[in-house]
Amino acid sequence: QKEVEQNSGPLSVPEGAIASLNCTYSDRGSQSFFWYRQYSGKSPELIMFIYSNGDKEDGRFTAQLNKASQYVSLLIRDSQPSDSATYLCAVNMKNYGQNFVFGPGTRLSVLP
Amino acid sequence: DGGITQSPKYLFRKEGQNVTLSCEQNLNHDAMYWYRQDPGQGLRLIYYSQIVNDFQKGDIAEGYSVSREKKESFPLTVTSAQKNPTAFYLCASSPTGTSGTEQFFGPGTRLTVL
Repeated sequence: QKEVEQNSGPLSVPEGAIASLNCTYSDRGSQSFFWYRQYSGKSPELIMFIYSNGDKEDGRFTAQLNKASQYVSLLIRDSQPSDSATYLCAVNMKNYGQNFVFGPGTRLSVLP
Repeated sequence: DGGITQSPKYLFRKEGQNVTLSCEQNLNHDAMYWYRQDPGQGLRLIYYSQIVNDFQKGDIAEGYSVSREKKESFPLTVTSAQKNPTAFYLCASSPTGTSGTEQFFGPGTRLTVL
């Protein structure tokens, strides 16, 4: 069974706040995890990836991974209106070769 | 500039027609992928290829066909057997076929059936 779940949103946060996006996955053997941002009508662009338990920071973005809970999250600090997009969680599952399973995405709206 | 190109950007198909979507990359990536995205849904894998002259079916391959005659090119044909082809089609590539390597996407082709 290959499932990646995300809240579809929309998640609305005020400008300058922290946006928290969550993702759960079904395969305990999953190895690597990716966050993509997709603007309306555009293709996904990679924001971050994480392989190990814990936090990984890159500028205003922090990815958090908890393999025991099968949970990965993306925090966006100091949210800007330009962060308004759909955020896709992708998981490379152990029994799915080199392929990704994508979640349905969470739509984020940052209000000025 | 290195990247992935897809053409056309918009494509209209009549009932019963086969259409071919182009995907080219100059990143020297080994693996290439085709996804389909429907409104409000995630990406679903149609076909993938890890080396030239080899490709594998994804989760929703029925009604689609591909070829991989060159490393740079991975065209997708949407056949008349695909009953509901209206969707956003995305091509992606990754540097190697090893597990966990990130995928990079082209700009996409939006296909509409008339």
